[in-house]
Amino acid sequence: QSVLTQPPSVSGAPGQRVTISCTGSSSNIGAGYDVHWYQQLPGTAPKLLIYGNNNRPSGVPDRFSGSKSGTSASLAITGLQAEDEADYYCQSYDSSLSAHYVFGTGTKVTVL
Amino acid sequence: EVQLVETGGGLIQPGGSLRLSCAASGFTVTSNYMSWVRQAPGKGLEWVSVIYSGGSTYYADSVKGRFTISRDNSKNTLYLQMSSLRAEDTAVYYCARALSPVGEDPWFDPWGQGTLVTVSS
Repeated sequence: QSVLTQPPSVSGAPGQRVTISCTGSSSNIGAGYDVHWYQQLPGTAPKLLIYGNNNRPSGVPDRFSGSKSGTSASLAITGLQAEDEADYYCQSYDSSLSAHYVFGTGTKVTVL
Repeated sequence: EVQLVETGGGLIQPGGSLRLSCAASGFTVTSNYMSWVRQAPGKGLEWVSVIYSGGSTYYADSVKGRFTISRDNSKNTLYLQMSSLRAEDTAVYYCARALSPVGEDPWFDPWGQGTLVTVSS
């Protein structure tokens, strides 16, 4: 079961800015562990979007940015484009006995 | 090119066993952290298991005692042996490399294309 909570959906018109929150706890994000983000286009495998809270892999547009504060993190997409319509997941490490890696519940981004 | 290709999925009856394989190219499986992540139909991502470069293995509570992660250096391949399968194990199973530079917490990259496991009678 997911221990990182995300909103089920967010939407925006082309060109707008949207943000996705990722809320954790004292055993994961709040403990100082990094947050990473993945984009999953329909029918495909997840793809790394942001690593180490706010770093973009080569090839990821600078429209995507990440931040972290306290027990939460956020992904921002500026200048929203039609090809950004996808599911987005946050991920962190968890120091509790029962989990090592935890994912967020996932957020569907819809471009209006 | 760094790539992962999973095979071995299929339809299996409850209580049955299945072994998934994940062939790596462009890097060495035994020198990296390797993980399995699954996604039930229409659901989110769930971490399943990890094998660290030193050989330590860890599992999600939902599969502990039923699944075994392993690797073969000569074939540069990761495996997931699944037994006592249940309907709730039905999912697409992805293998992924967990990158962990010194001082940073691991992230998953790349991912394989996934293989579907359906547990049903």
